[in-house]
Amino acid sequence: GESVGLHLPTLSVQEGDNSIINCAYSNSASDYFIWYKQESGKGPQFIIDIRSNMDKRQGQRVTVLLNKTVKHLSLQIAATQPGDSAVYFCAENIDTGRRALTFGSGTRLQVQP
Amino acid sequence: NAGVMQNPRHLVRRRGQEARLRCSPMKGHSHVYWYRQLPEEGLKFMVYLQKENIIDESGMPKERFSAEFPKEGPSILRIQQVVRGDSAAYFCASSGYGDSKIGEQFFGPGTRLTVL
Repeated sequence: GESVGLHLPTLSVQEGDNSIINCAYSNSASDYFIWYKQESGKGPQFIIDIRSNMDKRQGQRVTVLLNKTVKHLSLQIAATQPGDSAVYFCAENIDTGRRALTFGSGTRLQVQP
Repeated sequence: NAGVMQNPRHLVRRRGQEARLRCSPMKGHSHVYWYRQLPEEGLKFMVYLQKENIIDESGMPKERFSAEFPKEGPSILRIQQVVRGDSAAYFCASSGYGDSKIGEQFFGPGTRLTVL
């Protein structure tokens, strides 16, 4: 079965609030994780990545947290904007000998103006 | 725009026909990946190619599906004798990483295949 999954299929937030999207993974050997944003009718767009030797990484308005103890990944979006409305996927590289990414099922973020 | 290019964006085929999906990686990238996405689902890995080589096809169905990345020209995902279950969005990604650790994969806009 899938080794990457998301707790909340849909997340609705008010514009200006912070958003947190969560992801659970089951393979403790996974060493690389990526968050992608996908808007309707478009391909996934890279947001931020993190390697397993880190527990936090920050980008512009986004932060990814990795908790290897409980195998949990989260994406925090600060001051959420309407343009952030999309489906967000976490993806992991399970097998370090291969390059295939395993994607979760996605969380839809809806930003209310 | 030097992003990943895919064409056609939309493709309609009748059952039993062949579908050819093309992908041109980002400039300077020599690693290409194909993924399939069903509605409301995440992407599923199909195949990873480098120029003239299939590196990993563990996600590719054994029959009817094939992929290539020739020395010149785009990568091609070919689906023979399409069936309705092949209807999906097919995404191509590319990366510039060599034998070192996996890195970011840049995705194209996808080809939406509809089988009637």
